[in-house]
Amino acid sequence: GAVVSQHPSRVICKSGTSVKIECRSLDFQATTMFWYRQFPKQSLMLMATSNEGSKATYEQGVEKDKFLINHASLTLSTLTVTSAHPEDSSFYICSARVQGAYEQYFGPGTRLTVT
Amino acid sequence: GDSVTQMEGPVTLSEEACLTINCTYTATGYPSLFWYVQYPGEGLQLLLKATKADDKGSNKGFEATYRKETTSFHLEKGSVQVSDSAVYFCALSDPGGAQKLVFGQGTRLTINP
Repeated sequence: GAVVSQHPSRVICKSGTSVKIECRSLDFQATTMFWYRQFPKQSLMLMATSNEGSKATYEQGVEKDKFLINHASLTLSTLTVTSAHPEDSSFYICSARVQGAYEQYFGPGTRLTVT
Repeated sequence: GDSVTQMEGPVTLSEEACLTINCTYTATGYPSLFWYVQYPGEGLQLLLKATKADDKGSNKGFEATYRKETTSFHLEKGSVQVSDSAVYFCALSDPGGAQKLVFGQGTRLTINP
């Protein structure tokens, strides 16, 4: 149980285009989802926290207009990278948590490459 | 702000060797501490946790003790297996309502048969 999926697993896009990444909790309802970014050989950096039905809370330094997060249902959150640039190339990881629980369940990640 | 520092990798060991991966933290208040493991092609999985000083977390032969006096949470295993090859992340969770995780940089462990 407690499986989180991400789609796509890899995506290559051209500079200036937008890319949407989906995060789904497959067998539980996630009241809170987190989006992380991971650079090579570096730790996961929290980008934002999203609660179902409300606006996401972004970490300091993360551009909310560039990284659009939508948590429209208890099983789906999406991250849209708008007007992507090569410096947005990274590994994006989501996690999901049930209300009242502390443990986060992680997706396998999405590798974004912007050319 | 809160931070976690992990022993730099990669670490390569032979099967049945002893393992220690060092982790120290800086935090205001009293965080909970975690070790996550990421096997190739999979998402991070919680390996073990400790929520207060002197607690020992254990799972799959791995152990870590919450040491408040040295602000450490070192991961240990007495005899590693090839199947333990993975990336290990130390993390802390702030005690506030958001319970956000702060991760160390990860340590890649390779066990050779």
